Amino acid sequence: EAQVTQNPRYLITVTGKKLTVTCSQNMNHEYMSWYRQDPGLGLRQIYYSMNVEVTDKGDVPEGYKVSRKEKRNFPLILESPSPNQTSLYFCASRRAREDTQYFGPGTRLTVL
Amino acid sequence: AQTVTQSQPEMSVQEAETVTLSCTYDTSESNYYLFWYKQPPSRQMILVIRQEAYKQQNATENRFSVNFQKAAKSFSLKISDSQLGDTAMYFCAFMKGVYGTSGSRLTFGEGTQLTVNP
Repeated sequence: EAQVTQNPRYLITVTGKKLTVTCSQNMNHEYMSWYRQDPGLGLRQIYYSMNVEVTDKGDVPEGYKVSRKEKRNFPLILESPSPNQTSLYFCASRRAREDTQYFGPGTRLTVL
Repeated sequence: AQTVTQSQPEMSVQEAETVTLSCTYDTSESNYYLFWYKQPPSRQMILVIRQEAYKQQNATENRFSVNFQKAAKSFSLKISDSQLGDTAMYFCAFMKGVYGTSGSRLTFGEGTQLTVNP
């Protein structure tokens, strides 16, 4: 089944404790992105990747890191999480010459 | 930069009736795509319908259709014969052409919470 998976789905952590949210797709898509969703703001892009070893900032990159060492994986790293990073996070992917993005199921992160 | 605006934070409709959700956007691009996504309580993002800007014909998917007014930069979603399962948050989204860095980002509106009442 073609899909985008994220882990964990739920995470409660404390300020300053490094964490990684994994994202994996099995569709051989070139483009991958991370978004965060906050009430009244819709979804905003954090980082994106156009292919292996090619990443760039989105609209709200502060406090986040990403890497793209393999085509299928695009982890989101919070090296020192803060309460303002409490949010719902989505990973998405798409093929280079197509417009439809496929979203993962979301990760609910709470930083205390 | 592109912006997408959904001016209706909440809407409600009776089952079997028709409802229209509004979306306006601002861009100087000529080649772009517009989308409506549905987010039910499960929080999954589900693509409802898509429209290519260069196509004048409005997209339709079963009970869902759009009214795409390119000159007015308007992209409304009409849901006919509303069902209880249509209760969800609906997001309007914009994406520039698919090639290069310009096609990397979906720009979303704030969302409209739709409730279908029995």
